[in-house]
Amino acid sequence: AQTVTQSQPEMSVQEAETVTLSCTYDTSESDYYLFWYKQPPSRQMILVIRQEAYKQQNATENRFSVNFQKAAKSFSLKISDSQLGDAAMYFCAYRSASWRAQKLVFGQGTRLTINP
Amino acid sequence: NAGVTQTPKFRILKIGQSMTLQCTQDMNHNYMYWYRQDPGMGLKLIYYSVGAGITDKGEVPNGYNVSRSTTEDFPLRLELAAPSQTSVYFCASSYWGSGTEAFFGQGTRLTVV
Repeated sequence: AQTVTQSQPEMSVQEAETVTLSCTYDTSESDYYLFWYKQPPSRQMILVIRQEAYKQQNATENRFSVNFQKAAKSFSLKISDSQLGDAAMYFCAYRSASWRAQKLVFGQGTRLTINP
Repeated sequence: NAGVTQTPKFRILKIGQSMTLQCTQDMNHNYMYWYRQDPGMGLKLIYYSVGAGITDKGEVPNGYNVSRSTTEDFPLRLELAAPSQTSVYFCASSYWGSGTEAFFGQGTRLTVV
């Protein structure tokens, strides 16, 4: 079974600085997808960024980028120029590319605090 | 655009009572999921479905049942509610395709007393 581990329960960063959130996963599959979701106090789950395992190029979305290391099974999220609105719980998630096994598995989450 | 709609938003149950959490999506998504999120924790998968008539257990299925008779609806049934089922429940859906994201409902906060 696939597992996702986020080893940092809490992180904090000064506004405008850069922070990196860690995620590792365990799988025997070669084709899968990885996601970072943001959950603000409103509880709404918001997609931040996604990565296809077959793509070597790291995904980027504005101030958010990932460092995807397939061999190491590592998928970290870098937030540049941190803003107060980035404060939230961040979840790393894994999804198989297999048609029948497309369950979406989440890590435990990292609570990110932005200090003004 | 409705997206994924969950009802109710809040509910208090007494121990031993039963209830159904409703989830419907209007995006014609193949996949639907039910998660629970305990305070300060991540999302744990209860059940999921890859299409109408097909359901599979997730990490924590005990005490719950699901059905998927249509593409749109994926209700979660709690039988004999227990305090350990106090949690926030999220329904989500996604379309089968390369890297498509899951869309989430707003969640149902359930308290069992």
